[in-house]
Amino acid sequence: GENVEQHPSTLSVQEGDSAVIKCTYSDSASNYFPWYKQELGKRPQLIIDIRSNVGEKKDQRIAVTLNKTAKHFSLHITETQPEDSAVYFCAASPWPGGKLIFGQGTELSVKP
Amino acid sequence: GAVVSQHPSWVICKSGTSVKIECRSLDFQATTMFWYRQFPKQSLMLMATSNEGSKATYEQGVEKDKFLINHASLTLSTLTVTSAHPEDSSFYICSARSSRGVTDTQYFGPGTRLTVL
Repeated sequence: GENVEQHPSTLSVQEGDSAVIKCTYSDSASNYFPWYKQELGKRPQLIIDIRSNVGEKKDQRIAVTLNKTAKHFSLHITETQPEDSAVYFCAASPWPGGKLIFGQGTELSVKP
Repeated sequence: GAVVSQHPSWVICKSGTSVKIECRSLDFQATTMFWYRQFPKQSLMLMATSNEGSKATYEQGVEKDKFLINHASLTLSTLTVTSAHPEDSSFYICSARSSRGVTDTQYFGPGTRLTVL
């Protein structure tokens, strides 16, 4: 069935360093790959997304890359700040309005 | 921007009782809403897809007789947890699909924390 694997489960970096989170998906029909940031007890917030016809997308300190052949995509955060500390989830869906299959989540801790 | 609300934000109930959670799209019409469940320190798991005016589509392993979903209008979907038990305690989050703009977008509600005693 549909599955999204996410690694690592926890990630600790020093402020200013880069953080990379990787995901692999199984469903070939997936064409939309969003990334969410979730703070404790809050709703997931979309931080960036990418579609299957694009290999890379960047928004300020955040970038996402997609390798559709290998079925994996990654989130890159540069110049990390303490306020980046949260749980990050990747997800996959056939299209932006379709059901989302989430990865297991990565707890990112940015130490000042 | 598109806003999705949930009510209540938290609820505590006794084992065996039923609890209804509402998900509303406040400034757009949502023909489709999704219900997710999130246990502590775990990911969001899709429970079901709710389509206005039709029966919900449940994911494998989700008991449709236990988690009743009703999507009677374009702005409201409800999830009723029937005969709740402590193992149903979780964070329930809905999302609503908006078809405004160039492409579809999903917006998440703030979630409902359910605790079953």
